[in-house]
Amino acid sequence: DQQVKQNSPSLSVQEGRISILNCDYTNSMFDYFLWYKKYPAEGPTFLISISSIKDKNEDGRFTVFLNKSAKHLSLHIVPSQPGDSAVYFCAASVNAGNMLTFGGGTRLMVKP
Amino acid sequence: ETGVTQSPTHLIKTRGQQVTLRCSSQSGHNTVSWYQQALGQGPQFIFQYYREEENGRGNFPPRFSGLQFPNYSSELNVNALELDDSALYLCASSRIEQNTEAFFGQGTRLTVV
Repeated sequence: DQQVKQNSPSLSVQEGRISILNCDYTNSMFDYFLWYKKYPAEGPTFLISISSIKDKNEDGRFTVFLNKSAKHLSLHIVPSQPGDSAVYFCAASVNAGNMLTFGGGTRLMVKP
Repeated sequence: ETGVTQSPTHLIKTRGQQVTLRCSSQSGHNTVSWYQQALGQGPQFIFQYYREEENGRGNFPPRFSGLQFPNYSSELNVNALELDDSALYLCASSRIEQNTEAFFGQGTRLTVV
């Protein structure tokens, strides 16, 4: 029973364009959502988060959108850079307790 | 400010053996969580420790156990290792009073043969 799903295992984007990574969840109790980036041989690195009381959060080139009625969130990266190439994980928690439920990840490749 | 560090980075064990993995929390953090990441999958929550007690547990059997020490460092112990325990084990620290993200270590790659 996967409560957090990332349906696209991979995404390829041209440098300078927008990257859109998607995530769906089923547990209505989730109230805090995060995106992590992971390079090989490294631990996940926090990118951006959003509370369920908001529908958008921006940090530089990264914007996360939350659609609670659809139980869907997305990460937009604009403009995409080759250094953004990594695996991106969506994660969710209940009561922001940091007991995270992760999706399966999306591998982003940004081509120069 | 030191980050989350884990040891060892790689480990090979035989089926049936026991293993202990270690984690040092980021300075100022009082909560430690452990995750198992199998190849090609996302991390799965094992358990969390706060004030030296287990504060929450995922869907893992009792042979997965842990400890948190007064300096907030932590251990993950796995008994009776099985081949399916081969994975990357990640430790994450956070401060439970703050609504902030968890910071992860680089992980320990465990191979069970």
